[in-house]
Amino acid sequence: ILNVEQSPQSLHVQEGDSTNFTCSFPSSNFYALHWYRWETAKSPEALFVMTLNGDEKKKGRISATLNTKEGYSYLYIKGSQPEDSATYLCAFNSGGSNYKLTFGKGTLLTVNP
Amino acid sequence: DAGVTQSPTHLIKTRGQQVTLRCSPISGHKSVSWYQQVLGQGPQFIFQYYEKEERGRGNFPDRFSARQFPNYSSELNVNALLLGDSALYLCASSLNSFGELFFGEGSRLTVL
Repeated sequence: ILNVEQSPQSLHVQEGDSTNFTCSFPSSNFYALHWYRWETAKSPEALFVMTLNGDEKKKGRISATLNTKEGYSYLYIKGSQPEDSATYLCAFNSGGSNYKLTFGKGTLLTVNP
Repeated sequence: DAGVTQSPTHLIKTRGQQVTLRCSPISGHKSVSWYQQVLGQGPQFIFQYYEKEERGRGNFPDRFSARQFPNYSSELNVNALLLGDSALYLCASSLNSFGELFFGEGSRLTVL
């Protein structure tokens, strides 16, 4: 059974704060690590798909890093805005013929104006 | 361009009934996956289809089945519904088997 753990479960920050979350996953049989943002009443939206150890990706104020050897990824949000309020999900893919993503429970971010 | 569309958006069934959920992928996407999300948990993988063939199946009982049609749309069927099947069912499409997923807004199933 694959375990994908995310921390913290929830986070409240003030507008303008920078924040980061952690996703830990099995360090063996790694193929890819996905990050998704899920706003209330909308559909999950892909932020990043990361495949290489040491990879760093950036989209606007959001960035992510990947360490496949120790099995963790960090997601950073710089200068949080109220519109960043959402659940952030990471998902692990071990590749092979059975393609599936194993999701963590997510981190619920609330940004107060 | 239209995103992934799912129907129905909400439905209520009673125990023992059967349900069919439908999904239309983004045009050009050949892979469709189904996930179940219950409150407080991350989405759980149910099935993946690529080019009309089943490529993956999660830890769900045989009451759950799916298929993909020549136009790449997909149906998820659940027979003999149980209270525990109450969940949000998400469909996602992708260009290939391993790319980022594009999700629909889900079908909210309530079993009474």
